[in-house]
Amino acid sequence: GAVVSQHPSWVICKSGTSVKIECRSLDFQATTMFWYRQFPKQSLMLMATSNEGSKATYEQGVEKDKFLINHASLTLSTLTVTSAHPEDSSFYICSAPGLAGDGQYFGPGTRLTVT
Amino acid sequence: AQSVSQHNHHVILSEAASLELGCNYSYGGTVNLFWYVQYPGQHLQLLLKYFSGDPLVKGIKGFEAEFIKSKFSFNLRKPSVQWSDTAEYFCAAPTGNQFYFGTGTSLTVIP
Repeated sequence: GAVVSQHPSWVICKSGTSVKIECRSLDFQATTMFWYRQFPKQSLMLMATSNEGSKATYEQGVEKDKFLINHASLTLSTLTVTSAHPEDSSFYICSAPGLAGDGQYFGPGTRLTVT
Repeated sequence: AQSVSQHNHHVILSEAASLELGCNYSYGGTVNLFWYVQYPGQHLQLLLKYFSGDPLVKGIKGFEAEFIKSKFSFNLRKPSVQWSDTAEYFCAAPTGNQFYFGTGTSLTVIP
């Protein structure tokens, strides 16, 4: 089946720095990818939709200047958490839609810890 | 937009017990519904999905779900759970390509 990878799987950064997370579709092309945030023991919250060749669309309440999304190619989307703060610590998951009826293919997630 | 709710936040069962996790959806039109599972330390995996047709959907690992339109429900069931079923379970409904998840149910199966 289709595989979505994320890099890094785990990152620790200092408050005020920026962190880039990559999401790749390994054996298929994805004109659209999605970014989710998951707090411990909670559900996934859709943050934004990443669109290849155009601007990302953000869910209500998500700061687009804080969470920069770039869909650089048909197989790569990046999420940059700018000026990270401890409250940004979370598990970030990306996904790409499968063929019609297949739902979404999810990446393994990236755990971000901001100290 | 479609939304889903899960009312069981944490379920603890002994091995061989039967499982039913609730999922209710909000939209009365065309409904597509999914159940995903997240094992500890692993990424989300599709358990089963409903698009149309037979309301009783069978998925992987012995799981099934029944779509009951009159109750706006899509409950997940398994007749006999195993320790390896310990995981987080999420009901989800798409609006277009965007997925919206329920709050999830944490299942702990005691050997």
